[in-house]
Amino acid sequence: EAQVTQNPRYLITVTGKKLTVTCSQNMNHEYMSWYRQDPGLGLRQIYYSMNVEVTDKGDVPEGYKVSRKEKRNFPLILESPSPNQTSLYFCASSLSTSDLYYEQYFGPGTRLTVT
Amino acid sequence: AQSVSQHNHHVILSEAASLELGCNYSYGGTVNLFWYVQYPGQHLQLLLKYFSGDPLVKGIKGFEAEFIKSKFSFNLRKPSVQWSDTAEYFCAVNSNTGNQFYFGTGTSLTVIP
Repeated sequence: EAQVTQNPRYLITVTGKKLTVTCSQNMNHEYMSWYRQDPGLGLRQIYYSMNVEVTDKGDVPEGYKVSRKEKRNFPLILESPSPNQTSLYFCASSLSTSDLYYEQYFGPGTRLTVT
Repeated sequence: AQSVSQHNHHVILSEAASLELGCNYSYGGTVNLFWYVQYPGQHLQLLLKYFSGDPLVKGIKGFEAEFIKSKFSFNLRKPSVQWSDTAEYFCAVNSNTGNQFYFGTGTSLTVIP
């Protein structure tokens, strides 16, 4: 089944404790992206990747890191989480960024709470 | 940076009523426009998209949207809603020269049977 998976789905952690949220897609998609969803703010793009070893900042990259060493994986790293990073995080992918393939497929979301 | 405005935050309709959700964006160049839907407990999924051509685009489940360039708008419509349309709806934009996406704040639609 074609899908985007994220792990963990729920995470409660403490300020400053490094964590990684994994994202994996099995559709051989080139483009991958991370978003955070907050009440009243909608979805905001954190980072995106056009292909392996190609990443770029979105609208709200501060406090986050990403890497794209393999095409299928795009982990989100919080080196020193803070309470303002408490949010619902979505990973998404699309085949490419050319017009016809611009549909993004979203993962189920990871609810992160930082205390 | 671009921005996307969805002015209706919560909409409550009875079944068979018509729906129109507003979406306005700020960007002077050529844009690609999307509507995504998130049904309760499900992933976000694409409803429809506009890249070029006919400004009236049709999507899944009877939804359509009209791109009005002069108004920087991409409103979503459905002539007759059903209870199963209860969901959160997001408008999204990206410029055709960039790979960054901008989403609106979302509109929560509740359809009463």
